[in-house]
Amino acid sequence: EVQLVESGAGLVKPGGSLRLSCAASGVTFRNAWLSWVRQAPGKGLEWVGRIKSKGDGGAIDYAAPVKGRFSISRDDSRNTLYLQMNSLKTEDTAVYYCTTHYSSGLDSWGQGTLLTVSS
Amino acid sequence: SYVLTQPPSVSVAPGQTARLTCGGNNIGSRGVHWYQQKPGQAPVMIIFYDSDRPSGIPERFSGSNSGNTATLTISRVEAGDEADYYCQVWDSASDHYVFGAGTKVTVL
Repeated sequence: EVQLVESGAGLVKPGGSLRLSCAASGVTFRNAWLSWVRQAPGKGLEWVGRIKSKGDGGAIDYAAPVKGRFSISRDDSRNTLYLQMNSLKTEDTAVYYCTTHYSSGLDSWGQGTLLTVSS
Repeated sequence: SYVLTQPPSVSVAPGQTARLTCGGNNIGSRGVHWYQQKPGQAPVMIIFYDSDRPSGIPERFSGSNSGNTATLTISRVEAGDEADYYCQVWDSASDHYVFGAGTKVTVL
């Protein structure tokens, strides 16, 4: 069974930075494509970005609202996915989920971690 | 960018059938995935590639996709099916993943 455990969120001031982590187990991590998805309070799901496996080229893509501010990386030796978030805005307030891919679908999800951006 | 359109809400009586739509330009040419999200919980994939069910998902959940509309059908609706349901596709033009706004299913 795949387990994804996010950590690292909390309360940050606008303009601040934070790094989220996602520890994975039950999956061949080095072969996995991984995405971050967020959900603002009371709102729907929003894809944030995806990183491919190194074997598939390791390409990283970002949604327009976060491009240039957020950075996704992975440490296959630690089975961990990261989301570095800079220049945070109040509209980045959300629960952040890490997910694994089954091709173009997202088949396993973590429990999510809440980021609040507020002064 | 590609847009998916879902009705905000659907109400259904227990034991009846709920049909949730997901509209998009020529969506029938894309693989559609569906997720169920209950209050306070993470989403769960319930249908992948239009009509396939992950292991453990009841047969009451089925999907179809043709033309400009994909449909998630929930047969013999139960109280426990109350949740938000999201459709999702991959947009090859942008290499991005797109979600619909979600449909809230209320069991009367």
